[in-house]
Order: sequence, then structure tokens, then C-alpha cells
Amino acid sequence: AQSVTQLGSHVSVSEGALVLLRCNYSSSVPPYLFWYVQYPNQGLQLLLKYTSAATLVKGINGFEAEFKKSETSFHLTKPSAHMSDAAEYFCAVTMNSGYSTLTFGKGTMLLVSP
Amino acid sequence: DVKVTQSSRYLVKRTGEKVFLECVQDMDHENMFWYRQDPGLGLRLIYFSYDVKMKEKGDIPEGYSVSREKKERFSLILESASTNQTSMYLCASSQGATGELFFGEGSRLTVL
Repeated sequence: AQSVTQLGSHVSVSEGALVLLRCNYSSSVPPYLFWYVQYPNQGLQLLLKYTSAATLVKGINGFEAEFKKSETSFHLTKPSAHMSDAAEYFCAVTMNSGYSTLTFGKGTMLLVSP
Repeated sequence: DVKVTQSSRYLVKRTGEKVFLECVQDMDHENMFWYRQDPGLGLRLIYFSYDVKMKEKGDIPEGYSVSREKKERFSLILESASTNQTSMYLCASSQGATGELFFGEGSRLTVL
């Protein structure tokens, strides 16, 4: 079984501040982990993914995430928020074992103020 | 550019109507998915298909059915729409067992 918990349904930051969106997972086998972003009235697009290579993963738009097995975490960070980062962010997990579908977290809405 | 196209962005239907949501992908992907998105609940998997004419139930299949007659097309069917099926429906496709999902822009369905 696999599941994802995103802490905080809403996160507010000021433009230029650090962005930290939290994701914890549970998986019975080594996981593949993903972060997706959804801008208003659009589908989801991939930000970055972890597939058991480097534990620090860099994605698009300056985002990165670190896989920490001991903490079962995959938190998303960006050093300096931009107004255009305002969107909903979803963490997702799938098992690195045979065929498995993606399980999504409930999402975190990032609000960026000037 | 890779593309997943959902036929309708916005639909309004009446209770009891039969509803078809169509999805087409142009990436020759094996796998296709239908998710439902509701505020505070994230994305929940309705059905998926990993081959033509194959289908598998996801987490919330009740009240829905699907059809995949061609590799590029995956349809979601609501046999008798109900108000609790008012939601955003997202189609996605992927290649391989743990591949990245590519999403369409979504179909927002309102059932009155």
C-alpha cells in the first residue's frame, strides 16, 4: 500500500521568501516520488521526480526536492518565491515494483503576496 | 509537443442523463487514466487502462464506466449522472510501469 500526506492545505509566503511545501509518504517498497503543479483552470504538469538516483532532485522553475528515506519525506523547496509560483502543488507516490498507479496527496495551495 | 486533449472543458447536465467524457492522446502511450479532483480531496483515481480494451478499477469506480477501443482514446461514461458527480475530471496518459503522467486540461462537469 502507498499513501501521501501533504502538511498544510494552504501556504502563504511573500515574494522573494523561501518556499517549503511538505510531503511525507508511506510505501511498502522503494518509491518513485513526484511533485506536480496545477495553475488555475489547467491540468497538472510535472515539476520534478525522484526515481532512486540522486536524492536531491532539481526540477523546473527553480524548484527542488530532497528524498529522505529516514524521514519518509520528499519536501519541495524554492529559495525565492515569485508571484508566478502561485498555484496548487501535489505530491504523488508510486511503487518502484512492477506496475503501480500514482497516488496523490490532497494538494497544497501556495499563495504569494507582493 | 505532447498533448492530451479532453473534448469538453465545461459541461452542464441534468440528473439521470448519460454523460460521455472523451480523452485523446497523441503520444502513443500505453496507459491512460481518469481522475476526479475535488477541493480538499486531491485527485482520486476512477479507472485506468494499460492496453486497448483493457480496464482496471481505481479507488472510486462506482457510478462510472470506461471504454478504450483505440490506443489513443479513453472515454469516461456516467450512465446516470447524479449531483454528487459534479466535479473536475482529469484525463492522463503515461508510458511504462512508473512513467510520468501527462494531463489534459480537465473537464468541469456540473450535474443539476
